[in-house]
Amino acid sequence: AQKITQTQPGMFVQEKEAVTLDCTYDTSDQSYGLFWYKQPSSGEMIFLIYQGSYDEQNATEGRYSLNFQKARKSANLVISASQLGDSAMYFCAMREDFQKLVFGTGTRLLVSP
Amino acid sequence: NAGVTQTPKFQVLKTGQSMTLQCAQDMNHNSMYWYRQDPGMGLRLIYYSASEGTTDKGEVPNGYNVSRLNKREFSLRLESAAPSQTSVYFCASSELTVLNSPLHFGNGTRLTVT
Repeated sequence: AQKITQTQPGMFVQEKEAVTLDCTYDTSDQSYGLFWYKQPSSGEMIFLIYQGSYDEQNATEGRYSLNFQKARKSANLVISASQLGDSAMYFCAMREDFQKLVFGTGTRLLVSP
Repeated sequence: NAGVTQTPKFQVLKTGQSMTLQCAQDMNHNSMYWYRQDPGMGLRLIYYSASEGTTDKGEVPNGYNVSRLNKREFSLRLESAAPSQTSVYFCASSELTVLNSPLHFGNGTRLTVT
């Protein structure tokens, strides 16, 4: 079974608008961590934001926020005020056992002027 | 401020050839990882090393071997390359074996096996 599911292969958004990238996860552990990474066309993997399973508040980092709904096992990334430089692949990932990070298949975001 | 350095950046192999992908980190991290990235499949873990002297299999270890040479270096070896191993390979490291420690990635090695 897929541990991390990203159902949107591609998303389009206009500059300055907000966009939500979906991520659902599957775990029976009580303690786990959720991560989002950005991969621009240049190929590097850039860490964006982290949410712990026991964190009561949704994580925020600048224009990035994580809409964490534990009961629904979802950890959606919200990008506010999109910029052209936000065009990239975005990966959701989960860590259950203090070691491995398991990734979803990614969502390609295209920001248009 | 190098972070995680992978060599080479690009490599073309013929089926059956062997090669070693090198990875070094200068952040004094304990844990190191090798992932492969294929279109439509995200990143899949090949092997990881929780600390110097230990290595463990990930999701897709077949056809690969690894060596944690010291705390800084973690190499990935393909003994007999196959076309199915054509992929982009990423090395990563993390500071602590705790949930909130993000992985820091190298820039990747693009490998083509013909």
